[in-house]
Amino acid sequence: AQTVTQSQPEMSVQEAETVTLSCTYDTSESDYYLFWYKQPPSRQMILVIRQEAYKQQNATENRFSVNFQKAAKSFSLKISDSQLGDAAMYFCAYRSTFQGAQKLVFGQGTRLTINP
Amino acid sequence: EAGVAQSPRYKIIEKRQSVAFWCNPISGHATLYWYQQILGQGPKLLIQFQNNGVVDDSQLPKDRFSAERLKGVDSTLKIQPAKLEDSAVYLCASSPSGRSTDTQYFGPGTRLTVL
Repeated sequence: AQTVTQSQPEMSVQEAETVTLSCTYDTSESDYYLFWYKQPPSRQMILVIRQEAYKQQNATENRFSVNFQKAAKSFSLKISDSQLGDAAMYFCAYRSTFQGAQKLVFGQGTRLTINP
Repeated sequence: EAGVAQSPRYKIIEKRQSVAFWCNPISGHATLYWYQQILGQGPKLLIQFQNNGVVDDSQLPKDRFSAERLKGVDSTLKIQPAKLEDSAVYLCASSPSGRSTDTQYFGPGTRLTVL
């Protein structure tokens, strides 16, 4: 079974600075998807960014980018120019490509605080 | 486009009571998921529906939890009887077709407290 580990329960960063959240995963599959979800205090989970394992190029969405290291099974999220609205729980998630196995497997989450 | 709707937002019950949660997915989405999120943990899938059929319920405690999606649209998750360890946020999500390329869209969740 796949597992996802986020080793940083809490992180904080000064507004306008850059922060990196770590994620490692374990799988025997060669093709899969990885995601970062954001969960603000209102609790609605929002997709931040996704990465297909077969793509070598790291995904980027505006101020959010990932560092995907397939051999190391590492998938970190970098947030540039941090804003107050970025404060939230961030979850790393894994998804198999096997038909009928579309569930997301989540890590434990990292609580990100933005200091003004 | 309206998002995933869930009700109630909050529920407090005593142990051994019954409770039901409702979810209305995004219009046209064939796949519906129920996740359980215990405080301090990431969400865990309880059950996945494709239209009105169950795709994955391997982590659903079937002795006390049940779920249905009779018409392939909205869904109900029930707990009977509730235990203290069922205190959690129950998240509903939907996706267009259930393909692995789909994005899952989450509702606001129902926070259940069992006393």
